[in-house]
Amino acid sequence: SQTIHQWPATLVQPVGSPLSLECTVEGTSNPNLYWYRQAAGRGLQLLFYSVGIGQISSEVPQNLSASRPQDRQFILSSKKLLLSDSGFYLCAKAVAGANVLTFGAGSRLTVL
Amino acid sequence: KQEVTQIPAALSVPEGENLVLNCSFTDSAIYNLQWFRQDPGKGLTSLLLIQSSQREQTSGRLNASLDKSSGRSTLYIAASQPGDSATYLCAVRDNAGNMLTFGGGTRLMVKP
Repeated sequence: SQTIHQWPATLVQPVGSPLSLECTVEGTSNPNLYWYRQAAGRGLQLLFYSVGIGQISSEVPQNLSASRPQDRQFILSSKKLLLSDSGFYLCAKAVAGANVLTFGAGSRLTVL
Repeated sequence: KQEVTQIPAALSVPEGENLVLNCSFTDSAIYNLQWFRQDPGKGLTSLLLIQSSQREQTSGRLNASLDKSSGRSTLYIAASQPGDSATYLCAVRDNAGNMLTFGGGTRLMVKP
């Protein structure tokens, strides 16, 4: 979607290295923001969601973290990547009170 | 915890055939259900959204139905075309509006 920007689009990182995936959104203020991961051959797993600046709810493993430093910025991070972190990471937004979830184009992470 | 299942996991049909993709969910207390399409290596595109109070939604050759009490939704694709080849995902949103749970997807191939 043109209203959600994710970068980098692709990333190859060694095990144990840090990670930062960024997502910025356009449009209405105070959207709900989400990070999903799609591992090869598997469905989408919700990692984090945020209903506002500094508000993060986690659904997952501890080696990943998320932050929302600005209303329209959502960052996914890791201090030390694992092989199992490889996958396709999708950022999504939903305007509060609205119904439709809109996705970014995704970031493909390969951990070697 | 909501669980969403999609059957079949993969489907191959000849061009022109009408087909049905199935989605079931365990907790009927949903806010809405959304069908997405994902092309290989790409983000998700929203196809249809059904509110919990609705029974079906139509868009072109696509028709999605919802039977909330039985925890089921179907996506009907009429007169399938090779361009319909993609993975189709259904997702349900809980009543709080924050959590979207995805099924594993159905990988569709339409052969010319």
